[in-house]
Amino acid sequence: DTAVSQTPKYLVTQMGNDKSIKCEQNLGHDTMYWYKQDSKKFLKIMFSYNNKELIINETVPNRFSPKSPDKAHLNLHINSLELGDSAVYFCASSQGMWRTDTQYFGPGTRLTVL
Amino acid sequence: DAKTTQPTSMDCAEGRAANLPCNHSTISGNEYVYWYRQIHSQGPQYIIHGLKNNETNEMASLIITEDRKSSTLILPHATLRDTAVYYCIVRPSWGDKIIFGKGTRLHILP
Repeated sequence: DTAVSQTPKYLVTQMGNDKSIKCEQNLGHDTMYWYKQDSKKFLKIMFSYNNKELIINETVPNRFSPKSPDKAHLNLHINSLELGDSAVYFCASSQGMWRTDTQYFGPGTRLTVL
Repeated sequence: DAKTTQPTSMDCAEGRAANLPCNHSTISGNEYVYWYRQIHSQGPQYIIHGLKNNETNEMASLIITEDRKSSTLILPHATLRDTAVYYCIVRPSWGDKIIFGKGTRLHILP
C-alpha cells in the first residue's frame, strides 16, 4: 500500500511529443507537489496544490500544466517536450503547507527526451 | 538559494555514529529544521524535524544549537544502507516554497 505513487516509472519519448505523468496519494493529505531533479541532482519545486488550488507556481515553462482532479491526485502534463525536460520528476504530498507538515515523496518518474 | 549549508560529502565507518552538520544561520524564530535523505535514484525520505529542542526517533537524533543557527543529524549506528544524500532544509512559512540545497553525500565504509 504505497503512500505516494507515480506512473509511469520510466518514460522515453521523442522531442515535440506531449506526455503526462500521474500521481496519487492515499494518505488523505490536502497538499501535493511536483519537483524536478535534473542531471546535476538539484531538486527544485515546480508546483504545489492545496485543496486542489494552485499555491506555488515556480518559473516553469507554460508547456508544463498540472491538473488536480481531486485532492488525492496531481497529474503533470507536458506539451512539446524538449531535450532539457529530461529529468526525474517527483511527486510529493503533505497534510498541509504548515511548517510542521512533513512531505512524503513518490518513487519518481525518469523522463528521457530523445 | 537554499537557506542551509552542508558539507559536500562525508565518510563514516559502518557501525559508528554518523554526525552530519548543517548551518542555517539565517533561520527565523518559527522556522523548523527538517532532514531528508535520498538513496540512489529513489524519492527523498523524511528522517526527522525539530524547532529548538533536540529530537529523536527510530531513525536518527537531531541536535539543534541553542541559538538555532546550526544543527547536527546523528545516525547512531550507521549501516551500508544509510549511504545516501542527506538534505537539511529550513521549512518556510505557509505557501512558501521549500528549497533543497545540494545536501551531503554520506558514504558508509565497510
